[in-house]
Amino acid sequence: GESVGLHLPTLSVQEGDNSIINCAYSNSASDYFIWYKQESGKGPQFIIDIRSNMDKRQGQRVTVLLNKTVKHLSLQIAATQPGDSAVYFCAGTKRGSQGNLIFGKGTKLSVKP
Amino acid sequence: SQTIHQWPATLVQPVGSPLSLECTVEGTSNPNLYWYRQAAGRGLQLLFYSVGIGQISSEVPQNLSASRPQDRQFILSSKKLLLSDSGFYLCACRTGTGVGDQPQHFGDGTRLSIL
Repeated sequence: GESVGLHLPTLSVQEGDNSIINCAYSNSASDYFIWYKQESGKGPQFIIDIRSNMDKRQGQRVTVLLNKTVKHLSLQIAATQPGDSAVYFCAGTKRGSQGNLIFGKGTKLSVKP
Repeated sequence: SQTIHQWPATLVQPVGSPLSLECTVEGTSNPNLYWYRQAAGRGLQLLFYSVGIGQISSEVPQNLSASRPQDRQFILSSKKLLLSDSGFYLCACRTGTGVGDQPQHFGDGTRLSIL
């Protein structure tokens, strides 16, 4: 079946280091992907998105890479800060689905001071 | 940009009692609206979505129902809650028409505990 999953449930990094969170998807028809950050007790917060006609997109301290050949995307956070500690979800959709998203289970990022 | 309001933030209900969770959206018109449930430590499961007033699509068979009485109001209901209905309920909104690529934006959720 269709799925969007994450490689690791937890990731621990030192403050100031770069973080890389990975995600794999199964549906080759998926053409739009989103990364969300969820802090404890709150709803997911949009971070960055990427369309399938791109392989890289940069935001403020974040970069998303998309490899359609192996159906993999990653979120890179530069100079990770304590405020980046949260659960990160990737989500994917496919054309014609009314924007419905399929979410992965999430990776918990912990930043050590 | 849109703002999604959900209330209450937390709710404790006995088994068999009714439920009504409300979501309202500001800053947009004719949005797509979504209800999700998130179990502890898990991803989000889509329960219902709506592309317009009175239009509800259900993703999974369940004990819950949804209604959209106004353009920017989405309600999640149950006549009799089950223990398995416990969870974190999130409302989301997506602006834009057609199938254009726009992210969904989320409210801060309702934590529902069934006793």
